[in-house]
Amino acid sequence: DGGITQSPKYLFRKEGQNVTLSCEQNLNHDAMYWYRQDPGQGLRLIYYSQIVNDFQKGDIAEGYSVSREKKESFPLTVTSAQKNPTAFYLCASTLQGATYSGNTIYFGEGSWLTVV
Amino acid sequence: AQKVTQAQTEISVVEKEDVTLDCVYETRDTTYYLFWYKQPPSGELVFLIRRNSFDEQNEISGRYSWNFQKSTSSFNFTITASQVVDSAVYFCALSEATGGGNKLTFGTGTQLKVEL
Repeated sequence: DGGITQSPKYLFRKEGQNVTLSCEQNLNHDAMYWYRQDPGQGLRLIYYSQIVNDFQKGDIAEGYSVSREKKESFPLTVTSAQKNPTAFYLCASTLQGATYSGNTIYFGEGSWLTVV
Repeated sequence: AQKVTQAQTEISVVEKEDVTLDCVYETRDTTYYLFWYKQPPSGELVFLIRRNSFDEQNEISGRYSWNFQKSTSSFNFTITASQVVDSAVYFCALSEATGGGNKLTFGTGTQLKVEL
């Protein structure tokens, strides 16, 4: 089935550790995104990538890093520099990235990250 | 800068009641798209509707309907004869051409609880 797969669903991190969240899509979408969701704050954009080997910071990129080596993959690393990483992380993708088109953005099932 | 406001934090209704979720947006662009997503307790965001700024026709899909009014910058969502399965968080989102990348700006969401 086509879709966006995020793993793991639940992840616990010790303070000072880096962790990487996986996001894979088989929809042949050009653009991919990472959003963070905190209670009562909606979703905020961390990073996005319009094409392979290129990505841009979103509104809250500090403490995070990404890579886009393959079209179908956009992993997110939460570094120890992220002061409050406990949140729900959602990966998304859309068909066309570089040219504005208002295409629908589709989301994965999300990953819960908890710092212990 | 773009902004989406969902003033209703939480709404509780009894099954079979009609309910309207409000969404007000701000943008300087003339070309933009508006979206509604549903987030059930499982966490994934489910796409409901996409509407471009040049199409003010109201839309109906089963028990769901949307009222887009550019004059008041609103894109409200009505559920007719609500059901328990409609219980979820609903997000309104805006995508505009400025800045590129087909990025979404989300409201803070409205928690809808439908009780028997």
